[in-house]
Amino acid sequence: SYDLTQPLSVSVALGQTATITCGGKKIGEKNVHWYQLKPGQAPVLVLYRDLNRPPGIPGRFSGSNSGNTATLTISGAQAGDEADYSCQVWDSYTAVFGGGTKLTVL
Amino acid sequence: QVLLVESGGGVVQPGKSLRLSCVASGFTFSSYGMHWVRQAPGKGLEWVAVISFNGDEKYYVDSVKGRFTISRDKSKNTVYLQMNSLRGEDTALYYCAKDEGSGSGTSEALDSWGQGTQVTVSS
Repeated sequence: SYDLTQPLSVSVALGQTATITCGGKKIGEKNVHWYQLKPGQAPVLVLYRDLNRPPGIPGRFSGSNSGNTATLTISGAQAGDEADYSCQVWDSYTAVFGGGTKLTVL
Repeated sequence: QVLLVESGGGVVQPGKSLRLSCVASGFTFSSYGMHWVRQAPGKGLEWVAVISFNGDEKYYVDSVKGRFTISRDKSKNTVYLQMNSLRGEDTALYYCAKDEGSGSGTSEALDSWGQGTQVTVSS
């Protein structure tokens, strides 16, 4: 089975840049999607196919994917960005999620 | 806008069955694949199953194969998850999610999600 590895937690100062990684074997050859999870709310797709933002997602969210690492970058992090973030890929007709990263905005 | 409302969760004994429902609105239901995704307490998201736009293709995570069945009813704009032989490890918040495409199980994102329904398996 395909495994995705994310750091358990990332901290960022208000207004600074946060980087969340998602590691997987040759992940650069796959499409990576990113989701934001907040307690009591429906998960939200924040990036699809590595770097595309759905309507309504602020431009401070960006992404990249190469080699064995995909990255979600939040530039100028806001208090409202504090949440869990999960990456996701498809492998052999199975959707695989990373374990999730808790982003804390200080 | 897209709205997904799950129901059917509850407390059930190990070995018993439960059927979850998800009513969809705000988009052409028959054109998109639909998923079930779960999140156990203190854990990350785990994808459970997908059904293609026309119901012809269904894929499952290994841990539920043979026990869970995903289905859809286009007349009711509803996707179901029939869960049999439930185990303690099936305890989770179950989300319904819309595929951005046909639900072919290859590369699409899950672009809209419901709020979830809680399933607790306990004696």
